[in-house]
Amino acid sequence: RKEVEQDPGPFNVPEGATVAFNCTYSNSASQSFFWYRQDCRKEPKLLMSVYSSGNEDGRFTAQLNRASQYISLLIRDSKLSDSATYLCVVHSGSARQLTFGSGTQLTVLP
Amino acid sequence: DTEVTQTPKHLVMGMTNKKSLKCEQHMGHRAMYWYKQKAKKPPELMFVYSYEKLSINESVPSRFSPECPNSSLLNLHLHALQPEDSALYLCASSLEGLDEQYFGPGTRLTVT
Repeated sequence: RKEVEQDPGPFNVPEGATVAFNCTYSNSASQSFFWYRQDCRKEPKLLMSVYSSGNEDGRFTAQLNRASQYISLLIRDSKLSDSATYLCVVHSGSARQLTFGSGTQLTVLP
Repeated sequence: DTEVTQTPKHLVMGMTNKKSLKCEQHMGHRAMYWYKQKAKKPPELMFVYSYEKLSINESVPSRFSPECPNSSLLNLHLHALQPEDSALYLCASSLEGLDEQYFGPGTRLTVT
């Protein structure tokens, strides 16, 4: 089993749609959780950290379920500019390193 | 300011060349990282420096040699690379080990 698993997609959605990405992680000792977005041929950019209480930033909502070892990202009212690959990232805590999911590709269509 | 800078943006080198990639951050971050990323794959960790000391080497071949001259700078020295080493090389930094990492724009390396 991979340490961090994501549905690779692709997800093709119309503008204005709501889309949800899911991610599971295998290491129950994981301590920090993040969503990054990566545009084609660019570097990953931090989208948001994920907290146990859930957190929201504008149209984006992230949730963490430690019992199920599950992270989600919800994008509401999707825009063309949301088209990117979304990376679920988990910090295992035992070493100073992040473990990346394989990424979910999103294309928002006009 | 959450900026990590990397130079050069692009690099083409032959298999007998020696070159260096540079990374700089002025955010006071104490952990710095080198990643390698191939197309349509997530970044793969190569090295971690914590407080200017190498703390993780992910079994990277010795043709890649990292260096951390001070807390703001990270270099990656390249020598006798292979064509399969062609990739996007990303530098990142974080305040401490568990914090979010900020990535530089990367160096796109082609080995001919």
